Amino acid sequence: EVQLVQSGAVLKKPGESLKISCKGSGYSFSTYWIGWVRQMPGKGLEWMGIIYPGDSDTRYSPSFQGHVTISADKSISTAYLQWRSLKASDTAIYFCTRGDLDNWGQGTLVAVSS
Amino acid sequence: VMTQSPATLSVSPGERATLSCRASQSVSSNLAWYQQKPGQAPRLLIYGASTRATGIPARFSGSGSGTEFTLTIRSLQSEDFAVYYCQQYNNWYTFGQGTKLEIK
Repeated sequence: EVQLVQSGAVLKKPGESLKISCKGSGYSFSTYWIGWVRQMPGKGLEWMGIIYPGDSDTRYSPSFQGHVTISADKSISTAYLQWRSLKASDTAIYFCTRGDLDNWGQGTLVAVSS
Repeated sequence: VMTQSPATLSVSPGERATLSCRASQSVSSNLAWYQQKPGQAPRLLIYGASTRATGIPARFSGSGSGTEFTLTIRSLQSEDFAVYYCQQYNNWYTFGQGTKLEIK
């Protein structure tokens, strides 16, 4: 069974750094793109970017370029989404999804508040 | 840009719901539909504009190509009331703003 399991909810302060994870199992992790999607409170879905774990080819939506970093460690079948300096406006649920769009993580709630 | 209409659709159980999605430029048939319930991840319903994903009931159907797409849900069940999103994956990835399907 294909599974994407994300790290747990976090509460951070503005200016802090954060790295959340998405661990794949039940398939060849290196051979499927992994995408990240943001959902702000009460809002719709926004595509942030995508990575191919096999060679770490990474692409970003213009709105997110420079604000987050997507990475992957294929040796442990895990993709990451990282911030260097969080803002209150980063408060959202973040989902990872496999490139076929048919498999999604359960979501990670990131809350940023002073 | 993907534009969904209406923003909210009120339909009675057992009836049919028709949701629309329009692309600002052609996306060929590279269009997916998702269902999302509160507190859950999106669930893929349709890909390639008209192909049902694994395990999706036959009452869900998708149609269209180019810039105009439709998701039709026949004989609405209680579990179908949710928010629905379209997404194009022809040129990068873009979601519509969603249609909330509510009980009339």
